[in-house]
Amino acid sequence: EVQLVQSGAEVKKPGESLKISCKGSGYSFTTYWIGWVRQMPGKGLEWMGIIYPGDSDTRYSPSFPGQVTISADRSISTAYLQWSSLKASDTAMYYCARGVSGYFDLWGRGTLVTVSS
Amino acid sequence: QSALTQPASVSGSPGQSITISCTGTSSDVGGYNYVSWYQQHPGKAPKLMIYDVSKRPSGVSNRFSGSKSGNTASLTISGLQAEDEADYYCTSYTSSSIYVFGTGTKVTVL
Repeated sequence: EVQLVQSGAEVKKPGESLKISCKGSGYSFTTYWIGWVRQMPGKGLEWMGIIYPGDSDTRYSPSFPGQVTISADRSISTAYLQWSSLKASDTAMYYCARGVSGYFDLWGRGTLVTVSS
Repeated sequence: QSALTQPASVSGSPGQSITISCTGTSSDVGGYNYVSWYQQHPGKAPKLMIYDVSKRPSGVSNRFSGSKSGNTASLTISGLQAEDEADYYCTSYTSSSIYVFGTGTKVTVL
């Protein structure tokens, strides 16, 4: 089955680090982009960045300058979204999505990240 | 990169047609035929409804159609049904080689 499986919900304290994952299966992981999308509680969708696992070409949205790191491990068909120091404002649902040229046709179920002291 | 502009809400009665607009600039919507639309029901992941401005993925009802004129793209839902009640987002590729979402539109079936 073609799918993206995201890691489970996380509860963290401000200042802690975090790495969430998105594992692709059923398709050639290295020939599609993976995008990361943030959805804050009750708000809209926001692109954070995209990565092409085939050559690790990574592009970040100007709305998230230096706040997160996107990476991928081709050997295990997994993409990652990482924070070095979480803030309360990072509390959100994070989705990964598979990108074809110009659109995203397959989405993970999301990872809920809660940051609270 | 500013979000594309969508109406906050659109409503219609069952069987009617509604249209959601998505306005950007020549650096995104107007510059590329890479506009796509996503449907999101509460608590669910987004679902691709339209890609490349007007193409429908397999399995998406032909009641959904897309178009573009200049810097504005549109999603039309014809024969509105209760199950169409959801949030809808447009997205476009941009001249910065990344993507931008629209502000989102809540569709209500009266």
